[in-house]
Amino acid sequence: GAVVSQHPSWVICKSGTSVKIECRSLDFQATTMFWYRQFPKQSLMLMATSNEGSKATYEQGVEKDKFLINHASLTLSTLTVTSAHPEDSSFYICSARLAGGPDEQFFGPGTRLTVL
Amino acid sequence: DAKTTQPTSMDCAEGRAANLPCNHSTISGNEYVYWYRQIHSQGPQYIIHGLKNNETNEMASLIITEDRKSSTLILPHATLRDTAVYYCIVRVGGGNAGNMLTFGGGTRLMVKP
Repeated sequence: GAVVSQHPSWVICKSGTSVKIECRSLDFQATTMFWYRQFPKQSLMLMATSNEGSKATYEQGVEKDKFLINHASLTLSTLTVTSAHPEDSSFYICSARLAGGPDEQFFGPGTRLTVL
Repeated sequence: DAKTTQPTSMDCAEGRAANLPCNHSTISGNEYVYWYRQIHSQGPQYIIHGLKNNETNEMASLIITEDRKSSTLILPHATLRDTAVYYCIVRVGGGNAGNMLTFGGGTRLMVKP
């Protein structure tokens, strides 16, 4: 149990376009989901915390108007990278915490974004 | 959350135990020790966590020193598929206490045949 999926697993887009990444908890409800970004050979950096039905909380230095997060249901959160540029190319990973359950987070497989 | 220090990399022979150390000398009383690992180009995977007692599950054992300033993750019989970056994270656990995970550099474990 406790499976988190992401879609797409990889995407290539042109500079200036927007890309939406979906994060789903497949067999559990998640009141809180997290979005991370990981550049090559670096560790994961938390971008934002997403709570179902409320606005996301962004980490310092992360532009909320560029990285739009929507957490409309207990099983789905989306991250939209607006007007993507090559420097946004990265590995984006989401995680979900089981509502009312154990404290560990369950991570998705990640989405590799390449902006040309 | 308390900062952790881990060796950058370690090697281990296949079939032998892999012992991954972590220092967290500034850990506070309500902070747990969590271990995750990340296989190349995948999302992190939860391994184990503990507060002060040693813990064991089907994946690994966690040994926490009595003063809680350091811990060791033990993979009893490492396989090639255990090659990954292992992250030791210390944070307040339970309820709605933050929940965010702060990833450091981790230890790159290479299991060799």
